[in-house]
Amino acid sequence: EIVLTQSPGTLSLSPGERATLSCRASQSVSSSYLAWYQQKPGQAPRLLIYGASSRATGIPDRFSGSGSGTDFTLTISRLEPEDFAVYYCQQYGSSPQAFGQGTKVEIK
Amino acid sequence: EVQLVQSGAEVKKPGESLKISCKGSGYSFTSYWIGWVRQMPGKGLEWMGIIYPGDSDTRYSPSFQGQVTISADKSISTAYLQWSSLKASDTAMYYCALVRGPRPHDAFDIWGQGTMVTVSS
Repeated sequence: EIVLTQSPGTLSLSPGERATLSCRASQSVSSSYLAWYQQKPGQAPRLLIYGASSRATGIPDRFSGSGSGTDFTLTISRLEPEDFAVYYCQQYGSSPQAFGQGTKVEIK
Repeated sequence: EVQLVQSGAEVKKPGESLKISCKGSGYSFTSYWIGWVRQMPGKGLEWMGIIYPGDSDTRYSPSFQGQVTISADKSISTAYLQWSSLKASDTAMYYCALVRGPRPHDAFDIWGQGTMVTVSS
């Protein structure tokens, strides 16, 4: 069973700054089957990135994903006010699928 | 428009049974996997399992195997999550979500609005 560990737990940044979120897997994630989701309070999660680096439909290009094997990164190039939220990674390459514990991006 | 619409909030007592629903529309319901995700109050997302409504092939996380039942009725394009005997620790928001491709190993790209289940004596 693959365990995903996200870091940091909380990221305090200002609008316009760059955010770098990490997701580390306990074993290699096959075929880069790694997704990133954004969740705002009171809302369902929203898919941002799939296949480690492909943006989902309608996702702005300030969001980018990278990585392979056991180390993956979500980068938000310039934070907009609406980007302050919790972000989760998910591996879907092997069963059982699993989410990381989340990283909260908060306004500094 | 592809949508998943979930049933409303539930308040139940420990030991009671419950079945919540997730109705799909705007796509071929039998051709895509649907999953269920738990989110306990103030906590992260937990992958519970997925079902392929076309043939009811179901996969569970070991953490939820035997604790819940995932099913689907393709005649009414609806997936279900049910409990036979609820516990207080089942209190959570439950989301259904559509797998983006035709295989089980893919991301969830469409989510329902969530169903809040509260179990309290």
